[in-house]
Amino acid sequence: NAGVTQTPKFQVLKTGQSMTLQCAQDMNHEYMSWYRQDPGMGLRLIHYSVGAGITDQGEVPNGYNVSRSTTEDFPLRLLSAAPSQTSVYFCASSSSSGANVLTFGAGSRLTVL
Amino acid sequence: GENVEQHPSTLSVQEGDSAVIKCTYSDSASNYFPWYKQELGKGPQLIIDIRSNVGEKKDQRIAVTLNKTAKHFSLHITETQPEDSAVYFCAASISSGAGSYQLTFGKGTKLSVIP
Repeated sequence: NAGVTQTPKFQVLKTGQSMTLQCAQDMNHEYMSWYRQDPGMGLRLIHYSVGAGITDQGEVPNGYNVSRSTTEDFPLRLLSAAPSQTSVYFCASSSSSGANVLTFGAGSRLTVL
Repeated sequence: GENVEQHPSTLSVQEGDSAVIKCTYSDSASNYFPWYKQELGKGPQLIIDIRSNVGEKKDQRIAVTLNKTAKHFSLHITETQPEDSAVYFCAASISSGAGSYQLTFGKGTKLSVIP
Protein backbone atom coordinates (compact mmCIF):
# COMPACT_ATOMS: atom_id res chain seq x y z
CA ASN A 1 0.00 0.00 0.00
CA ALA A 2 1.26 3.47 -0.86
CA GLY A 3 -0.73 5.13 1.95
CA VAL A 4 -1.24 8.85 1.37
CA THR A 5 0.48 10.30 -1.69
CA GLN A 6 0.94 14.03 -2.16
CA THR A 7 2.12 15.81 -5.28
CA PRO A 8 4.06 17.92 -5.93
CA LYS A 9 6.65 17.82 -3.15
CA PHE A 10 7.87 21.32 -3.92
CA GLN A 11 6.27 24.21 -5.77
CA VAL A 12 7.12 27.87 -6.29
CA LEU A 13 4.36 30.23 -7.36
CA LYS A 14 4.07 33.91 -8.07
CA THR A 15 1.44 35.97 -6.29
CA GLY A 16 -1.90 35.60 -8.03
CA GLN A 17 -1.17 32.27 -9.69
CA SER A 18 -3.38 29.29 -9.14
CA MET A 19 -2.47 25.69 -8.51
CA THR A 20 -3.76 22.42 -7.12
CA LEU A 21 -2.08 20.23 -4.56
CA GLN A 22 -2.99 16.62 -5.15
CA CYS A 23 -3.70 14.04 -2.47
CA ALA A 24 -4.58 10.40 -3.01
CA GLN A 25 -5.00 7.51 -0.58
CA ASP A 26 -5.40 3.82 -1.28
CA MET A 27 -6.69 2.71 2.10
CA ASN A 28 -10.39 3.28 1.39
CA HIS A 29 -10.48 5.89 4.17
CA GLU A 30 -13.66 7.90 4.47
CA TYR A 31 -12.07 10.88 6.20
CA MET A 32 -9.54 13.10 4.49
CA SER A 33 -8.14 16.44 5.52
CA TRP A 34 -5.62 19.14 4.68
CA TYR A 35 -3.36 20.83 7.20
CA ARG A 36 -0.81 23.57 6.86
CA GLN A 37 2.31 23.67 8.99
CA ASP A 38 4.03 26.95 9.74
CA PRO A 39 7.00 27.53 12.08
CA GLY A 40 5.80 27.89 15.67
CA MET A 41 2.17 27.36 14.65
CA GLY A 42 1.84 23.61 14.65
CA LEU A 43 -0.63 21.95 12.31
CA ARG A 44 -3.77 23.88 11.42
CA LEU A 45 -6.77 22.31 9.69
CA ILE A 46 -7.74 23.90 6.38
CA HIS A 47 -10.55 21.70 5.03
CA TYR A 48 -11.78 18.20 5.63
CA SER A 49 -14.12 15.65 4.11
CA VAL A 50 -16.02 12.80 5.73
CA GLY A 51 -16.79 11.11 2.44
CA ALA A 52 -17.23 11.56 -1.30
CA GLY A 53 -19.30 14.63 -2.08
CA ILE A 54 -18.97 16.09 1.44
CA THR A 55 -16.51 18.79 2.46
CA ASP A 56 -16.32 21.27 5.30
CA GLN A 57 -14.12 24.08 6.54
CA GLY A 58 -11.51 23.80 9.20
CA GLU A 59 -9.70 26.47 11.20
CA VAL A 60 -8.03 28.34 8.32
CA PRO A 61 -10.08 27.82 5.11
CA ASN A 62 -9.78 31.25 3.48
CA GLY A 63 -8.03 31.21 0.12
CA TYR A 64 -8.43 27.46 -0.38
CA ASN A 65 -11.02 25.29 -2.11
CA VAL A 66 -11.49 21.55 -1.98
CA SER A 67 -13.66 18.91 -3.58
CA ARG A 68 -14.17 15.19 -2.99
CA SER A 69 -15.50 13.50 -6.11
CA THR A 70 -14.05 10.10 -5.19
CA THR A 71 -13.11 8.34 -1.97
CA GLU A 72 -9.47 8.22 -3.02
CA ASP A 73 -8.75 11.84 -4.00
CA PHE A 74 -8.93 15.13 -2.12
CA PRO A 75 -7.27 17.99 -4.05
CA LEU A 76 -6.57 21.38 -2.49
CA ARG A 77 -6.89 24.38 -4.79
CA LEU A 78 -5.33 27.80 -4.39
CA LEU A 79 -7.22 30.11 -6.73
CA SER A 80 -5.03 33.20 -6.31
CA ALA A 81 -1.89 32.48 -4.33
CA ALA A 82 -0.66 34.96 -1.73
CA PRO A 83 2.69 35.10 0.11
CA SER A 84 0.79 34.26 3.33
CA GLN A 85 0.09 30.84 1.83
CA THR A 86 3.78 29.96 1.84
CA SER A 87 3.79 26.85 4.01
CA VAL A 88 4.16 23.11 4.13
CA TYR A 89 0.89 21.36 3.39
CA PHE A 90 -0.03 17.93 4.68
CA CYS A 91 -2.86 15.72 3.57
CA ALA A 92 -4.10 13.13 6.06
CA SER A 93 -6.73 10.42 6.06
CA SER A 94 -8.39 8.07 8.49
CA SER A 95 -11.10 5.50 8.63
CA SER A 96 -14.21 6.78 10.36
CA SER A 97 -14.13 3.62 12.41
CA GLY A 98 -10.39 3.91 12.98
CA ALA A 99 -10.65 6.09 16.04
CA ASN A 100 -9.16 9.14 14.38
CA VAL A 101 -5.76 7.64 13.66
CA LEU A 102 -4.51 9.96 10.96
CA THR A 103 -2.16 8.76 8.26
CA PHE A 104 -0.23 11.71 6.86
CA GLY A 105 1.36 12.21 3.49
CA ALA A 106 4.97 13.36 3.18
CA GLY A 107 3.99 16.97 2.63
CA SER A 108 4.10 19.59 -0.13
CA ARG A 109 6.30 22.65 0.38
CA LEU A 110 4.80 25.70 -1.31
CA THR A 111 6.54 29.05 -1.71
CA VAL A 112 4.62 32.05 -3.00
CA LEU A 113 6.78 34.93 -4.18
CA GLY B 1 -13.42 25.55 19.65
CA GLU B 2 -10.72 23.43 21.21
CA ASN B 3 -7.38 24.98 22.17
CA VAL B 4 -4.30 22.88 22.87
CA GLU B 5 -1.23 24.33 24.55
CA GLN B 6 2.06 22.40 24.40
CA HIS B 7 5.24 22.90 26.43
CA PRO B 8 8.14 23.17 26.08
CA SER B 9 8.70 24.27 22.51
CA THR B 10 12.25 22.89 22.56
CA LEU B 11 13.81 20.24 24.76
CA SER B 12 17.37 18.93 24.88
CA VAL B 13 18.28 15.83 26.87
CA GLN B 14 21.31 13.64 27.20
CA GLU B 15 21.06 10.19 25.68
CA GLY B 16 19.63 7.79 28.24
CA ASP B 17 17.77 10.48 30.18
CA SER B 18 13.99 10.87 30.21
CA ALA B 19 11.98 13.49 28.33
CA VAL B 20 8.58 14.84 29.29
CA ILE B 21 6.30 16.96 27.10
CA LYS B 22 3.11 18.43 28.52
CA CYS B 23 -0.13 19.56 26.90
CA THR B 24 -3.31 21.16 28.17
CA TYR B 25 -6.65 21.32 26.41
CA SER B 26 -9.65 23.56 26.87
CA ASP B 27 -12.73 21.59 25.84
CA SER B 28 -13.91 19.07 28.42
CA ALA B 29 -15.77 17.23 25.64
CA SER B 30 -12.48 16.10 24.06
CA ASN B 31 -12.04 12.39 24.52
CA TYR B 32 -9.12 11.31 22.34
CA PHE B 33 -5.51 12.44 22.76
CA PRO B 34 -2.89 11.24 20.28
CA TRP B 35 0.80 12.03 20.05
CA TYR B 36 2.53 12.34 16.70
CA LYS B 37 6.24 12.27 15.89
CA GLN B 38 7.55 14.17 12.90
CA GLU B 39 11.02 13.42 11.61
CA LEU B 40 12.80 15.90 9.39
CA GLY B 41 11.25 16.10 5.93
CA LYS B 42 8.45 13.67 6.71
CA GLY B 43 4.82 13.78 7.69
CA PRO B 44 3.74 13.25 11.32
CA GLN B 45 3.28 9.68 12.45
CA LEU B 46 1.18 8.45 15.35
CA ILE B 47 3.30 7.02 18.17
CA ILE B 48 0.78 6.60 20.96
CA ASP B 49 -2.71 7.70 21.90
CA ILE B 50 -5.00 7.65 24.91
CA ARG B 51 -8.73 7.91 25.44
CA SER B 52 -10.50 9.70 28.24
CA ASN B 53 -11.54 6.49 29.96
CA VAL B 54 -7.89 5.59 30.56
CA GLY B 55 -5.42 7.36 32.84
CA GLU B 56 -2.15 5.97 31.54
CA LYS B 57 -0.89 3.96 28.60
CA LYS B 58 2.56 2.54 27.92
CA ASP B 59 4.30 1.22 24.84
CA GLN B 60 7.88 0.17 25.51
CA ARG B 61 9.83 3.39 26.25
CA ILE B 62 6.88 5.67 25.62
CA ALA B 63 4.03 6.44 27.99
CA VAL B 64 1.18 8.92 28.04
CA THR B 65 -0.75 10.08 31.09
CA LEU B 66 -4.07 11.88 31.16
CA ASN B 67 -5.63 13.99 33.91
CA LYS B 68 -9.20 14.76 32.85
CA THR B 69 -9.92 16.90 35.88
CA ALA B 70 -7.00 19.21 35.17
CA LYS B 71 -7.40 18.82 31.40
CA HIS B 72 -3.80 17.98 30.74
CA PHE B 73 -1.88 15.06 29.31
CA SER B 74 1.80 14.28 29.00
CA LEU B 75 4.21 12.23 26.92
CA HIS B 76 7.05 10.47 28.70
CA ILE B 77 10.00 9.00 26.84
CA THR B 78 12.46 6.98 28.92
CA GLU B 79 16.00 5.92 28.04
CA THR B 80 16.10 8.40 25.17
CA GLN B 81 18.09 7.53 22.05
CA PRO B 82 19.37 9.75 19.23
CA GLU B 83 16.62 8.42 16.95
CA ASP B 84 14.06 9.95 19.31
CA SER B 85 15.18 13.38 18.07
CA ALA B 86 12.20 14.84 16.21
CA VAL B 87 9.28 17.23 16.58
CA TYR B 88 6.46 15.87 18.73
CA PHE B 89 2.87 17.07 18.50
CA CYS B 90 0.07 16.47 20.93
CA ALA B 91 -3.54 16.72 19.81
CA ALA B 92 -7.06 16.57 21.16
CA SER B 93 -10.18 15.57 19.34
CA ILE B 94 -13.71 16.88 19.46
CA SER B 95 -16.43 15.14 17.50
CA SER B 96 -18.37 16.87 14.77
CA GLY B 97 -21.95 16.19 13.79
CA ALA B 98 -20.81 14.34 10.69
CA GLY B 99 -19.39 11.59 12.82
CA SER B 100 -15.84 12.58 12.14
CA TYR B 101 -13.34 13.82 14.65
CA GLN B 102 -11.31 16.95 14.04
CA LEU B 103 -7.94 16.97 15.71
CA THR B 104 -6.62 20.19 17.20
CA PHE B 105 -2.83 20.08 17.44
CA GLY B 106 -0.41 21.72 19.82
CA LYS B 107 2.39 23.81 18.34
CA GLY B 108 4.98 21.09 18.70
CA THR B 109 8.08 20.32 20.74
CA LYS B 110 11.46 19.90 19.10
CA LEU B 111 13.29 17.19 21.03
CA SER B 112 17.04 16.87 20.65
CA VAL B 113 18.79 13.87 22.19
CA ILE B 114 22.48 14.56 22.66
CA PRO B 115 24.74 11.49 22.29
